[in-house]
Amino acid sequence: GDSVTQMEGPVTLSEEAFLTINCTYTATGYPSLFWYVQYPGEGLQLLLKATKADDKGSNKGFEATYRKETTSFHLEKGSVQVSDSAVYFCALSLESSASKIIFGSGTRLSIRP
Amino acid sequence: NAGVMQNPRHLVRRRGQEARLRCSPMKGHSHVYWYRQLPEEGLKFMVYLQKENIIDESGMPKERFSAEFPKEGPSILRIQQVVRGDSAAYFCASSAHENTEAFFGQGTRLTVV
Repeated sequence: GDSVTQMEGPVTLSEEAFLTINCTYTATGYPSLFWYVQYPGEGLQLLLKATKADDKGSNKGFEATYRKETTSFHLEKGSVQVSDSAVYFCALSLESSASKIIFGSGTRLSIRP
Repeated sequence: NAGVMQNPRHLVRRRGQEARLRCSPMKGHSHVYWYRQLPEEGLKFMVYLQKENIIDESGMPKERFSAEFPKEGPSILRIQQVVRGDSAAYFCASSAHENTEAFFGQGTRLTVV
């Protein structure tokens, strides 16, 4: 079945370090891909998305490129800040309804000052 | 405009008791989705409701779990006769329409002792 596999955490980095959180997917069709973020004490927020191959989603300095050939959607940021500490979820959806979103298990990111 | 509000944030129940989790969608949203996150796993879809109607309950366990979204008031996820395996984080999301972005609440963390 359709699924998402993402890098296990926790990931701990120093401020201004380069971040990569790996995400790969398995899907029978052509899904849309998402990264959600959950800051401490808050709900999940959509961080970025891409709807077709080679699309790049970007927001708040984060980027992810939809790679159909490697079935991947890795999250990157060039210089992380303490405020980026959160749990990051990779997800896919083959339909536009929120009832059809399939999530990865989440990666906890901690940034040291 | 307040976000999706879930309460309580934390709920502890003894085995055999009932758990009631509440979700107030964002103002103007009539579509509600419940997800469950078991330890070390991603969020998994449970049920999708639209004011007074259950649209899709394909992810809901067949026994002990029920959900409602009355004309007035919050959506309720009810778990009867809880067992240890029900311990999880339960997230609610809402959207204005089925195919528009869903916004998530902070989640309710249920612990069964």
